[in-house]
Amino acid sequence: AQKITQTQPGMFVQEKEAVTLDCTYDTSDPSYGLFWYKQPSSGEMIFLIYQGSYDQQNATEGRYSLNFQKARKSANLVISASQLGDSAMYFCAMRERNTDKLIFGTGTRLQVFP
Amino acid sequence: DVKVTQSSRYLVKRTGEKVFLECVQDMDHENMFWYRQDPGLGLRLIYFSYDVKMKEKGDIPEGYSVSREKKERFSLILESASTNQTSMYLCASSLGREGRGTEAFFGQGTRLTVV
Repeated sequence: AQKITQTQPGMFVQEKEAVTLDCTYDTSDPSYGLFWYKQPSSGEMIFLIYQGSYDQQNATEGRYSLNFQKARKSANLVISASQLGDSAMYFCAMRERNTDKLIFGTGTRLQVFP
Repeated sequence: DVKVTQSSRYLVKRTGEKVFLECVQDMDHENMFWYRQDPGLGLRLIYFSYDVKMKEKGDIPEGYSVSREKKERFSLILESASTNQTSMYLCASSLGREGRGTEAFFGQGTRLTVV
């Protein structure tokens, strides 16, 4: 069955340091897409980065990169040079090609301190 | 810019009432989704639709139904609201194909309180 697991309810990181947010997934579909979203305290959902299951390289978008390990079924988000504005909830999500169903994990609350 | 609009930001309803949550998107997206968000549980999929008049159950469809009569509009219906349906409801839409550019776009959310 399709499933996303985020095992870190909360993470702390000092400003300017890098942080990794964990995400593992389960699917029987060989074709799928993985997404990361940020939800600040204002509540809006902000798309950060996408990784396709057949992409050869790890996705990067500015300070965000996705450490995609297909055999381990993991898609960890790496935020480099953390900023105070990165404090938010972060959600990992997956969509299977066969069903178009988009599901989310339980999220990780990241707090960046000075 | 893609815009997903939910009809209400806050709603207060009584137990047993029939409740309609409306969602409209303006980018001709095939897929539309309804989620509820509760602390510690993340976003849980209630229903989604990949075409007009087509719908699929998500992970928690009990107590809910949906309607998609037009491509741009996806409605969530609580047939008889109960207090355990008090939650934040999020609507989203996306293109119906794989690959880059298929991320979901979200509405601002509706915080529903059932008393």
